[in-house]
Amino acid sequence: DVKVTQSSRYLVKRTGEKVFLECVQDMDHENMFWYRQDPGLGLRLIYFSYDVKMKEKGDIPEGYSVSREKKERFSLILESASTNQTSMYLCASSLLGGSYNSPLHFGNGTRLTVT
Amino acid sequence: ELKVEQNPLFLSMQEGKNYTIYCNYSTTSDRLYWYRQDPGKSLESLFVLLSNGAVKQEGRLMASLDTKARLSTLHITAAVHDLSATYFCAAILGGTSYGKLTFGQGTILTVHP
Repeated sequence: DVKVTQSSRYLVKRTGEKVFLECVQDMDHENMFWYRQDPGLGLRLIYFSYDVKMKEKGDIPEGYSVSREKKERFSLILESASTNQTSMYLCASSLLGGSYNSPLHFGNGTRLTVT
Repeated sequence: ELKVEQNPLFLSMQEGKNYTIYCNYSTTSDRLYWYRQDPGKSLESLFVLLSNGAVKQEGRLMASLDTKARLSTLHITAAVHDLSATYFCAAILGGTSYGKLTFGQGTILTVHP
């Protein structure tokens, strides 16, 4: 089974702090994604990456950056955390096109609270 | 821009009843996915629908896709309490291969005895 592991289940940070959310997948997937989940809004894509050192903005990239130095690891960075970034953050991975019906495989999520 | 809308957003059902969740998307999409999320847990893939007229069934859940109407449905037959969860549909913008999914808002399903 594909395993996507997010390093923290819960995080509490202060406004203005730099925050790192880490995600590791063990199935050699090319694609990796960061979504945030908010009630009534579903999941919204922040950034995604289709290869090492490659990244693309999603629908809500403002206030975030990402890093992908190794294929298995995709990090989400909040440069200066704000209260409106309090949310559930979900990491996901998938194969690059090769398996046409490959769904996203999600981690368990990190619930971030910014105070 | 691809937009995905689900309805209803909240669904309270009695056990044994049938109901349908609707998922509309705004532009051409290559694929349609359904996911389930239990409280406090991550998303679990239920179905992948790849072509017009596709129908997939797993237990009491059946998903279908009408690409001409840009509509997918998730039909629940004879609901049981174990089906209580949040259900998401998601679509991929046509012509892309990176697997970038756009999600609906989610439907919170509660099944009562």
